[in-house]
Amino acid sequence: ETGVTQSPTHLIKTRGQQVTLRCSSQSGHNTVSWYQQALGQGPQFIFQYYREEENGRGNFPPRFSGLQFPNYSSELNVNALELDDSALYLCASSREGWTVYGYTFGSGTRLTVV
Amino acid sequence: GESVGLHLPTLSVQEGDNSIINCAYSNSASDYFIWYKQESGKGPQFIIDIRSNMDKRQGQRVTVLLNKTVKHLSLQIAATQPGDSAVYFCAEIPQTGANNLFFGTGTRLTVIP
Repeated sequence: ETGVTQSPTHLIKTRGQQVTLRCSSQSGHNTVSWYQQALGQGPQFIFQYYREEENGRGNFPPRFSGLQFPNYSSELNVNALELDDSALYLCASSREGWTVYGYTFGSGTRLTVV
Repeated sequence: GESVGLHLPTLSVQEGDNSIINCAYSNSASDYFIWYKQESGKGPQFIIDIRSNMDKRQGQRVTVLLNKTVKHLSLQIAATQPGDSAVYFCAEIPQTGANNLFFGTGTRLTVIP
């Protein structure tokens, strides 16, 4: 059984640019949630995708958007990058009906905005 | 609003001693709590969970205590080992049926050999 894989592991972008982060869910999991973890802080919920649709969103602006594909993998897109977007972006997958109870986190993508 | 906070940002313990990590929460409606361990360069890893209808739950070398009266959680690690060194987060589901977690800031546990 494969776990949650995220790519890339590290990324450096310039302020104003756009970025796409990718996540492959664990085998058997069809729900993907994204979290942002600033340095020294706990993860903050961005949004969740289930059946290829957004299924709940945290307090993040519309320039944070996502997609889920038929194979349950997911993308997080961030437009007009700001310095404060520098963080570790975590993807978590879960089974239908389990949601947070059965989260498996990936190792994250470290995004640095300069 | 909901918030989850930790009393101590860092904790150092001798190998073999017991560790206690504390966490306060503010939402009395929260009904499920989870402790996560995050090692450097990795995502959070599930340790143990507890529902609001319980006061205590035990796992392998870990115990979680929930005091709903004062809205306080603690994680106890018995016979702490160097491999326990990590950042520990408590997290809560803000309301029944919610599909996201609120995390606290975290406590860094350092085990001294």
